[in-house]
Amino acid sequence: GAVVSQHPSWVICKSGTSVKIECRSLDFQATTMFWYRQFPKQSLMLMATSNEGSKATYEQGVEKDKFLINHASLTLSTLTVTSAHPEDSSFYICSARPGGTGTDTQYFGPGTRLTVL
Amino acid sequence: QKEVEQNSGPLSVPEGAIASLNCTYSDRGSQSFFWYRQYSGKSPELIMFIYSNGDKEDGRFTAQLNKASQYVSLLIRDSQPSDSATYLCAVEEGYSTLTFGKGTMLLVSP
Repeated sequence: GAVVSQHPSWVICKSGTSVKIECRSLDFQATTMFWYRQFPKQSLMLMATSNEGSKATYEQGVEKDKFLINHASLTLSTLTVTSAHPEDSSFYICSARPGGTGTDTQYFGPGTRLTVL
Repeated sequence: QKEVEQNSGPLSVPEGAIASLNCTYSDRGSQSFFWYRQYSGKSPELIMFIYSNGDKEDGRFTAQLNKASQYVSLLIRDSQPSDSATYLCAVEEGYSTLTFGKGTMLLVSP
């Protein structure tokens, strides 16, 4: 149980284009999903917290107009990197927390590796 | 600002030995503590979580928590080469976000 998927697993795009990453909880409902970014040899950095049906909460220094997050249902959240630039190249990982179980454990998706040329 | 500190390593142990991974945190209000394993190029995988002071065992893994010292550790018994990975300590206050340490790289040699 507690499986989280991400799509795509990797993507290469040209500078200036937008990329959408999907995060799905496959066997549970996730009231809260999180988006992280990890640069090589660095730890995970939280970008934003997404609650179903409401606006995402962004961490300090993360541009909400550049990283658009939509949590449209209890099993799906999307991250759109708009006007991507090479410095946005990173490993993007989502996680989901089951709702209503009394647990605050987060389960991670497999990640999406974004390369912006 | 919440901080979670880990020794970056690498921690090298021979196969069959006990690996001890340590983590300290700055926020005394932290209530939940997690250990994740991350293989190179992969996303983190939950190993254990612990909420109460003391030890919690799950197979070859034992998590230890000392809230007074703001210290949490992970022991891996009978270490295997497949345990070689980066181990991330994560701390959560209440029902909010996780703060991750930078991770400790563990190398288990055959």
